[in-house]
Amino acid sequence: DIVMTQSPDSLAVSLGERATINCKSSQSVFYSSSNKSYLAWYQQKPGQPPKLLIYWASTRESGVPDRFSGSGSGTDFTLNISSLQAEDVAVYYCQQYHSPPDTFGQGTKLEIK
Amino acid sequence: QVQLVESGGGVVQPGHSLRLSCAGSRSTFSTYAIHWVRQAPGKGLEWVAVISYDGTKKDHGDSVKGRFSISRDNSKNTVSLQMNSLRAEDTAVYYCAKESQPYGGGWYPFDTWGQGTLVSVSS
Repeated sequence: DIVMTQSPDSLAVSLGERATINCKSSQSVFYSSSNKSYLAWYQQKPGQPPKLLIYWASTRESGVPDRFSGSGSGTDFTLNISSLQAEDVAVYYCQQYHSPPDTFGQGTKLEIK
Repeated sequence: QVQLVESGGGVVQPGHSLRLSCAGSRSTFSTYAIHWVRQAPGKGLEWVAVISYDGTKKDHGDSVKGRFSISRDNSKNTVSLQMNSLRAEDTAVYYCAKESQPYGGGWYPFDTWGQGTLVSVSS
């Protein structure tokens, strides 16, 4: 199975500042045939199901604010929130859907400093 | 937009069985692969099982293989998860989720999730 490792486990950022979360896969999640990385990011707020933010490593889901962006390829990926808002407090997960079974990172808890 | 609603959770003793259901709101439900993902209290997300849009392909995670079984009835817009020989470590909120593209089978992210149903395995 592909192991997904996120860093840091928790993060405290001031309102309006940038938040950066990293995700590393134990093997590449890139398919040259499609030229895509099979990597998604989800946001989960307390008591709610996860919400898809980013897929194909850098494509923003419809309705997701443009302060959220994803980057990376191969085995190293990053989720950036350019200007943290209060409503962004949540746990963020990366997921690979390149090789079954789908696997998730352990999560990064984002809080306000 | 398809909406998903899980049901069937509850408290059950170790070794007993439970059947979860995931109901889709639209007829297009039958064109999407559906996954089950669980989350133990205070923990992260664990993929459990997937079924293709037509039910011909299924896969289960190693931790549940041989005990859980996924199935679907597209005439009723429903996917089920039969859980047998339940263990304390199966205690979790169980979510069903659909892939973002129709006719997929594990190659797309999950764009729609249900609210989840809690399964508690305890004596």
